[in-house]
Amino acid sequence: ETGVTQTPRHLVMGMTNKKSLKCEQHLGHNAMYWYKQSAKKPLELMFVYSLEERVENNSVPSRFSPECPNSSHLFLHLHTLQPEDSALYLCASSQVLKNEKLFFGSGTQLSVL
Amino acid sequence: DQQVKQNSPSLSVQEGRISILNCDYTNSMFDYFLWYKKYPAEGPTFLISISSIKDKNEDGRFTVFLNKSAKHLSLHIVPSQPGDSAVYFCAATAGGTSYGKLTFGQGTILTVHP
Repeated sequence: ETGVTQTPRHLVMGMTNKKSLKCEQHLGHNAMYWYKQSAKKPLELMFVYSLEERVENNSVPSRFSPECPNSSHLFLHLHTLQPEDSALYLCASSQVLKNEKLFFGSGTQLSVL
Repeated sequence: DQQVKQNSPSLSVQEGRISILNCDYTNSMFDYFLWYKKYPAEGPTFLISISSIKDKNEDGRFTVFLNKSAKHLSLHIVPSQPGDSAVYFCAATAGGTSYGKLTFGQGTILTVHP
């Protein structure tokens, strides 16, 4: 496989559930990102990791918890979400931290009931 | 406060003609601009970029123009092809410690008719 792979593609969860989104990049990149796209809104940066270290948390609520165990994998752990958290969650990677050319995965479409 | 705006939600163009997608920004610290293209059920893919030290960058059928005084950039696609039909996102970033943090516009849906 090549590129950035996200699983699952679709997820429906209740407000009391705990779930995790997974992202894997096969590009040898050192930086990984979570972006969120709500309906009719621009993509919003959530978290940035560089060499497994979180370098930015863009004022994201604590019900979203990222994890980066190594430079190829990124997770987003979800718990007690709200219906307004329903959105497309996109993972991206870049060669190095300050490289603006991001490679995106196909995203996870999340619905919170 | 939206710092990057794409005021046209959609654009429809005939095959072979020029497509012009526009983007405005408000943050004068932005110094690098990118265009991404997104097909349904896929993630955005990088298309073309421009640094603030330039006013034009060309790559095949795609040209990006930057007008710093007007805080405006545009993407020209010539000639347009049906396969160009997608959502186009404008993005911008500031230098220094911005970590490649991109601020995106809302996107413009381009439809190219055969």
